[in-house]
Amino acid sequence: GAVVSQHPSWVICKSGTSVKIECRSLDFQATTMFWYRQFPKQSLMLMATSNEGSKATYEQGVEKDKFLINHASLTLSTLTVTSAHPEDSSFYICSARRGSVNTEAFFGQGTRLTVV
Amino acid sequence: KQEVTQIPAALSVPEGENLVLNCSFTDSAIYNLQWFRQDPGKGLTSLLLIQSSQREQTSGRLNASLDKSSGRSTLYIAASQPGDSATYLCAVNSGGYQKVTFGTGTKLQVIP
Repeated sequence: GAVVSQHPSWVICKSGTSVKIECRSLDFQATTMFWYRQFPKQSLMLMATSNEGSKATYEQGVEKDKFLINHASLTLSTLTVTSAHPEDSSFYICSARRGSVNTEAFFGQGTRLTVV
Repeated sequence: KQEVTQIPAALSVPEGENLVLNCSFTDSAIYNLQWFRQDPGKGLTSLLLIQSSQREQTSGRLNASLDKSSGRSTLYIAASQPGDSATYLCAVNSGGYQKVTFGTGTKLQVIP
């Protein structure tokens, strides 16, 4: 299967700082990438859909100014958590799809963010 | 809005048993459905992908079925092993951007 690489796998940051998470499709081009977050013992919730060269589409309730998404190339999307607070501590995971129709979604290994 | 539910939420079985995990979704206009496993604190491992035109997919001891019209999918695990212990997630691909909506998950424990 295709490979989606996410970096870093874990990060600890202080309250008020910003953290950037990268998601790369290593062996295919992804016009669309998705960002999810997962709270402990809960399922994955879609945060936003990232389209190469255009603005991301955020799900209801997700603050676009707090979670900045950039999809500057067909192989890279970034999620920046700005002015992080302890309640932003979560597991963030990205997904990319190869092709546009009926294709399998490939997931990164996730990033564990802890804000202290 | 697509909603995906998995039953049961947790399951504990002795090693060697065959078991069935259930997934239901509200909008039957799907592109495909995937089953994943997630180990504690880890990312997702894709198990099976079923396209909307397919009825089932098999991989080793795993068999997934899809009944799109009724909004249901099942994951059958044969001869369960302790290594199968994990949370199993059902994910439905639907909507204009082909968003993947995850189910609530089934936490499986296989007892040696």
